[in-house]
Amino acid sequence: GDSVTQMEGPVTLSEEAFLTINCTYTATGYPSLFWYVQYPGEGLQLLLKATKADDKGSNKGFEATYRKETTSFHLEKGSVQVSDSAVYFCALHNFNKFYFGSGTKLNVKP
Amino acid sequence: GAVVSQHPSWVICKSGTSVKIECRSLDFQATTMFWYRQFPKQSLMLMATSNEGSKATYEQGVEKDKFLINHASLTLSTLTVTSAHPEDSSFYICSARGPGQGNSPLHFGNGTRLTVT
Repeated sequence: GDSVTQMEGPVTLSEEAFLTINCTYTATGYPSLFWYVQYPGEGLQLLLKATKADDKGSNKGFEATYRKETTSFHLEKGSVQVSDSAVYFCALHNFNKFYFGSGTKLNVKP
Repeated sequence: GAVVSQHPSWVICKSGTSVKIECRSLDFQATTMFWYRQFPKQSLMLMATSNEGSKATYEQGVEKDKFLINHASLTLSTLTVTSAHPEDSSFYICSARGPGQGNSPLHFGNGTRLTVT
C-alpha cells in the first residue's frame, strides 16, 4: 500500500544552518505531496505542497520538489531560525486518503 | 484561510467516564472530517473518516463502540471516548475538508490532549 518514510530525528542545528529533511514515498497513481509542521501542543499546519511531478512547493523559506524518478519530496531551508523548531511531517494524498510519515523533530539552537 | 476549531484543548477525566471532543469548521462547510490519534513522538494514526449525515468509517483495529463519532452537521463533528481507560490517554486531532476540495490539503484542529487517570 501507499506509505511515506522520512528521516528519523531529532535533528539539531545551529541558527542559520542549512536544513534537509528527507522524505520518500511509495504510491500507485499520481499522489499529491505535502509537508506539515506541528508546534508543541498544537495540531498540524500546512507548510507547503506539490501536486504533480517536478512541482516545487515553497513557503516561509522552506522548499520541496516533487521528484517522481526518485519518489522523494525532501524538505530544505537555507537558513533555519530558532522559531523553526517543531516537528515536520511529510504526507501523501492518494485516492482520498492521507498517509503521514513518522515526523522529524527539528531543534534549532541560538 | 480555512479554520478548524477543536475543543477542549486538554481534558483530564477519571477512568470509566466518557469524554466528548468537538471539531468545528469555522469558515467552510466540512463535508468530510477525519479523526486522528497521535502517540508521543509518533505520527498520526487515522482512526475514522466521517461524512456529514452518514456513519463514520473506522480504520482497522479502531473500536467503533468505544470511539463514537457523530457528524450531524456540515460544521461540527464530535468524537466521544466512552468508558475511558488510561490507555486511551493520547493526543487526538481532527481535520476537515470541504466539498470539491479533491487533493487540497486538510485543515487541522489544534488537537485535544486527553489524560485518563
